[in-house]
Amino acid sequence: QSVLTQPPSVSAAPGQKVTISCSGTSSNIGNNYVSWYQQLPGTAPKLLIYDNNKRPSGIPDRFSGSKSGTSATLGITGLQTGDEADYYCGTWDSSLSAGVFGGGTKLTVL
Amino acid sequence: EVQLVESGGGLVKPGGSLRLSCAASGLTFSNYIMNWVRQAPGGGLKWVSSISGKSGYIHYADSVKGRFTISRDNAKNSLYLQMNSLRAEDTAVYYCASLTVTNYFDYWGQGTLVTVSS
Repeated sequence: QSVLTQPPSVSAAPGQKVTISCSGTSSNIGNNYVSWYQQLPGTAPKLLIYDNNKRPSGIPDRFSGSKSGTSATLGITGLQTGDEADYYCGTWDSSLSAGVFGGGTKLTVL
Repeated sequence: EVQLVESGGGLVKPGGSLRLSCAASGLTFSNYIMNWVRQAPGGGLKWVSSISGKSGYIHYADSVKGRFTISRDNAKNSLYLQMNSLRAEDTAVYYCASLTVTNYFDYWGQGTLVTVSS
């Protein structure tokens, strides 16, 4: 059971848009920045979005992040087959004094 | 280019011990909060432990508290995880990752596999 809640899977056709939700509480998402990570099969996680909605250098603007209250959302537009991966949200939980992640969402590009 | 390279994983029997290492390069190591994050086979990411730049603040997940010890040597740009009393449920790929002040993991190692089995 993960502290942050994500849908187990999402799917969409190439070229379409998809959103992945991440739900938490006031002790984590509600009072801390949210980040998102992409994990391609067999590889280490890679930072995709930080500080709720900022993209590291090299991440295309097809990827976006937002946060409202105790929830966050990752958006991916112009889906490509290369986007098929597991996506995780993460933040710090001030009550637990612990890093926390969502359970991960598997994206399938049909 | 920042590189984090883990080592020390392997097969160990339940109740045994293992020490993981993470060698860092390309960053001012002492400025970073360093972490261990693990991923069980087929599972999601789970934060394990965190240590501040000067080792003044250390945190552990409840599942490893009292069994695992995180440490660092800034002179050697290295992070460690001493794992004792290992259990089958500790089987996972262990990643070394750096954490920024706004709590995102910006750099990750490639991971080292720990298998606890008799």
